[in-house]
Amino acid sequence: KQEVTQIPAALSVPEGENLVLNCSFTDSAIYNLQWFRQDPGKGLTSLLLIQSSQREQTSGRLNASLDKSSGRSTLYIAASQPGDSATYLCAVSNQAGTALIFGKGTTLSVSS
Amino acid sequence: GAGVSQTPSNKVTEKGKYVELRCDPISGHTALYWYRQSLGQGPEFLIYFQGTGAADDSGLPNDRFFAVRPEGSVSTLKIQRTERGDSAVYLCASSLGTENEQYFGPGTRLTVT
Repeated sequence: KQEVTQIPAALSVPEGENLVLNCSFTDSAIYNLQWFRQDPGKGLTSLLLIQSSQREQTSGRLNASLDKSSGRSTLYIAASQPGDSATYLCAVSNQAGTALIFGKGTTLSVSS
Repeated sequence: GAGVSQTPSNKVTEKGKYVELRCDPISGHTALYWYRQSLGQGPEFLIYFQGTGAADDSGLPNDRFFAVRPEGSVSTLKIQRTERGDSAVYLCASSLGTENEQYFGPGTRLTVT
């Protein structure tokens, strides 16, 4: 059974710092990997999607990498801002692509 | 364009009652997914539709849960004989296909008293 772990569970940084969020998964037979942001009491906002054949994706200040063989992904956030404060969720799809399996998330707090 | 919408945003019901939760996907998205999220946890997969058919219902916890998508657009998640343990936020997502990003709605917060 696929398990997704996110470390750390919580992170507090001052504004302007670069940071890395980690995600690991137990079964490398994935279809793709997606990073989401969730604000308190809200739904999920998609940040980046990495197909299983890709190594990384970039969007603005965000860069996500995927090492499928080792079961790891990282989300790099450059020059963090208070508006980046949220919970970040990593999700891997099953091999058929019909379901996402989520980690519990990393709650990020960026202070000004 | 319009995103995924879900109604109601909040639902409070008594134990044993029947509830229906509605999802309107993004226009043109053939894939639709239901998840539920408990406090402090990541979303948990329930069911996936491709068009009108439930292509993967392996996440439904028991036979009290059922979902339909009769015309390949709007979907309804139905829960019979609700239990307090069903209390959670029910999230709907849609995508162009399984290889594409899933876009989530705001969720329905279900509270069973």
